[in-house]
Amino acid sequence: QKEVEQNSGPLSVPEGAIASLNCTYSDRGSQSFFWYRQYSGKSPELIMSIYSNGDKEDGRFTAQLNKASQYVSLLIRDSQPSDSATYLCAGGVNFGNEKLTFGTGTRLTIIP
Amino acid sequence: DGGITQSPKYLFRKEGQNVTLSCEQNLNHDAMYWYRQDPGQGLRLIYYSQIVNDFQKGDIAEGYSVSREKKESFPLTVTSAQKNPTAFYLCASSMGAYNQPQHFGDGTRLSIL
Repeated sequence: QKEVEQNSGPLSVPEGAIASLNCTYSDRGSQSFFWYRQYSGKSPELIMSIYSNGDKEDGRFTAQLNKASQYVSLLIRDSQPSDSATYLCAGGVNFGNEKLTFGTGTRLTIIP
Repeated sequence: DGGITQSPKYLFRKEGQNVTLSCEQNLNHDAMYWYRQDPGQGLRLIYYSQIVNDFQKGDIAEGYSVSREKKESFPLTVTSAQKNPTAFYLCASSMGAYNQPQHFGDGTRLSIL
């Protein structure tokens, strides 16, 4: 069973601090990774994509990928109350497979 | 504006009834997907389609059916064989390659009457 696992939540972080969300995957064929944010009662929204080892930064968000250790993480700097949501990690495998495998999500609460 | 439109937003099903959830996209995406999300749970793939007139079962296809007669449309029917249909249903689309993200509609909440 190919899986994507996320660190269990819920995770509470003070406003202004760095929130760190982690994800591990079991399929070494996974080549592309995505982070989605899902507010309560809403649909998932894409916030970051990462394909290569290393860091990718976009505003307050940084995605990190380490294929050797099979983990991907999302850092949120200067956390704001509006960042409170569930974050979903998803991985895609090549060789013509167009499905994504989603983790179960980590619920993040930013405490004012 | 380009996007994915799901309708209705809320749907109620009676015992023994089939209901159809609509999903339309104007992003010119090749691939479309249906997911089910239960409270506090992740996304589970029901069906997906990579091209018109072709679709594949996902992890939880029993009790559901789909069609893909047009590139823009991928309706999902929840049949009476699905005994526990209450959930949040999400439609997504993508360019279809493994490295392309999926984009989601706003979802349909289905409940049993």
